[in-house]
Amino acid sequence: DADVTQTPRNRITKTGKRIMLECSQTKGHDRMYWYRQDPGLGLRLIYYSFDVKDINKGEISDGYSVSRQAQAKFSLSLESAIPNQTALYFCATSDGRAGANVLTFGAGSRLTVL
Amino acid sequence: AQSVTQPDIHITVSEGASLELRCNYSYGATPYLFWYVQSPGQGLQLLLKYFSGDTLVQGIKGFEAEFKRSQSSFNLRKPSVHWSDAAEYFCAVARSYNTDKLIFGTGTRLQVFP
Repeated sequence: DADVTQTPRNRITKTGKRIMLECSQTKGHDRMYWYRQDPGLGLRLIYYSFDVKDINKGEISDGYSVSRQAQAKFSLSLESAIPNQTALYFCATSDGRAGANVLTFGAGSRLTVL
Repeated sequence: AQSVTQPDIHITVSEGASLELRCNYSYGATPYLFWYVQSPGQGLQLLLKYFSGDTLVQGIKGFEAEFKRSQSSFNLRKPSVHWSDAAEYFCAVARSYNTDKLIFGTGTRLQVFP
């Protein structure tokens, strides 16, 4: 099993629908992140969490929300999806005690909003 | 604010040829620098990192990178490329060892011809 698992891997939805992307990890890491990847733009940070009670906005949090249900689970929600949220979304984890910038990534969730 | 520039969007090399991928950063103090690789359909994987000390760092898969403060560069190199190295490569910078904000470049796609 993968260390960082994202579900679903692919999703097609319509404008206005609510979408949740889920992430779970078996690394035992305290920190979790959601990134968005767009062609030509690299990866941009949406939200991050240092522990269950800590949630922080990244550079592009508008239109998104997150929930840290447990140390191992971090979900990303789009309350009302719009076409420009079509992208590849990555969950990542890190161990804050060992160097927060050494990230372990999931395989990605490709979201298409029609 | 720190930023990362990868000037080459797409590079094509022949198998067995040498490779250099360019990365320039903008940050006033000594940065923490990373190279990640994304194979097709996969998440990102850490290739190597520079925190301090020797400016030539070795990574996995035969890659190395050299930190040059005078040029604000952290270029990735490999003496002989293999077909399996075809992927997208991302340079990233952070302000500190344990910061939340890992800033990614826009990536360089490497194509390898036999």
